[in-house]
Amino acid sequence: DTGVSQDPRHKITKRGQNVTFRCDPISEHNRLYWYRQTLGQGPEFLTYFQNEAQLEKSRLLSDRFSAERPKGSFSTLEIQRTEQGDSAMYLCASSLAGQGAVGYTFGSGTRLTVV
Amino acid sequence: KNEVEQSPQNLTAQEGEFITINCSYSVGISALHWLQQHPGGGIVSLFMLSSGKKKHGRLIATINIQEKHSSLHITASHPRDSAVYICAAKPNTGNQFYFGTGTSLTVIP
Repeated sequence: DTGVSQDPRHKITKRGQNVTFRCDPISEHNRLYWYRQTLGQGPEFLTYFQNEAQLEKSRLLSDRFSAERPKGSFSTLEIQRTEQGDSAMYLCASSLAGQGAVGYTFGSGTRLTVV
Repeated sequence: KNEVEQSPQNLTAQEGEFITINCSYSVGISALHWLQQHPGGGIVSLFMLSSGKKKHGRLIATINIQEKHSSLHITASHPRDSAVYICAAKPNTGNQFYFGTGTSLTVIP
């Protein structure tokens, strides 16, 4: 297992288009998190899953955003009708429940540019 | 209001200098991570601290729980240390981290 994988690494899309990102966590990790990082800022929490259940969503996650983790393994984050303000780095992280911050592992992120 | 504050925001150092990056937080935490983010965005966790001090190679991280403060030190800095360093605090309640805005470090040969 080589860690948390995210795909694609970069995505350029036209305003109004839908985009979908994928995150593959560390295989034994049952928690998966999505964060968004805009230029010059630290990451901001969007949502997290424990297994396939989405347990928490940030107010940052508007109706245009949806995340799924259908089988409790990989997760997808979809943004519908993209806006220029959605341009950011989207980071995924995973961890094992009960271990707190130990082993919390980040992916390399998907950089989204909306033109 | 940010739960986690970092300083400085930007730091330029000559190769070989001793570097300190500071992180203060306002919530009770169970752990704190120091993260390194290279251009291109990939994030690597350098340290996870809940007390005391940890050392890995030229990197040293300390935390003072009472003062709600942590520092990351780099000894004998090198141009390959150039990156953004982010402090991330895991609060006692909840499952998300609070992140600082990062310190952009440039080490000049």
